[in-house]
Amino acid sequence: DIQMTQSPSSLSASVGDRVTITCRASQSISSYLNWYQQKPGKAPKLLIYAASTLQSGVPSRFSGSGSGTDFTLTISSLQPADFAIYYCQQSYSIPKTFGQGTKVEIK
Amino acid sequence: QVQLQESGPGLVKASQTLSLTCTVSGGSISSGGYYWSWIRQHPGKGLEWIGYIIYSGTTLYNPSLKSRLSISFETSRKQFSLNLRSVTAADTAVYYCAREIRTTVIANDAFDIWGQGTMVTVSS
Repeated sequence: DIQMTQSPSSLSASVGDRVTITCRASQSISSYLNWYQQKPGKAPKLLIYAASTLQSGVPSRFSGSGSGTDFTLTISSLQPADFAIYYCQQSYSIPKTFGQGTKVEIK
Repeated sequence: QVQLQESGPGLVKASQTLSLTCTVSGGSISSGGYYWSWIRQHPGKGLEWIGYIIYSGTTLYNPSLKSRLSISFETSRKQFSLNLRSVTAADTAVYYCAREIRTTVIANDAFDIWGQGTMVTVSS
């Protein structure tokens, strides 16, 4: 199985801050990497697919980059609605696997 | 607008079979290009892909669950189902059904629509 490791596991930030979350795959996955946002008691929501393509309806303050084994999710200016847990997920091989999540909290 | 809704018992006894159904509304479950999937989330933990079924009836399962798992269609009812046999406390989780789509970019697959999730507790 491909292991997905996110860092940090949690972070505290203020509204307006630039936030960066990283995801590392245990082997190369090209650009087969997706990002999701999950709020308490809700299902995850697709934010970015294929490492850098913004899902329809997702605000442009979210962006993704990377390929191979190292990937980044960036929120350019953190908004109150962005406090949540973020997961990366590889779709390169079976079984599809997720990172352990990064919790973004209010400072 | 396609929507998914899970249903099934919230409590299952250990060693028995966990059975859940996902009802698809607002779209066709029979059209190609989608993988109708199950994903679970253990309490306070991350996400685990369980498996999927496609319109032809072909299934693909997580190897860690394959020996206990079956996913099937009930096309006439626009539903697909999960059956997980011989459950233990380790199967206690929120179970989500989701639609996985092959995006136009590098044929990458992503879970674009999710149900709200249903909590299943395995009791001893």
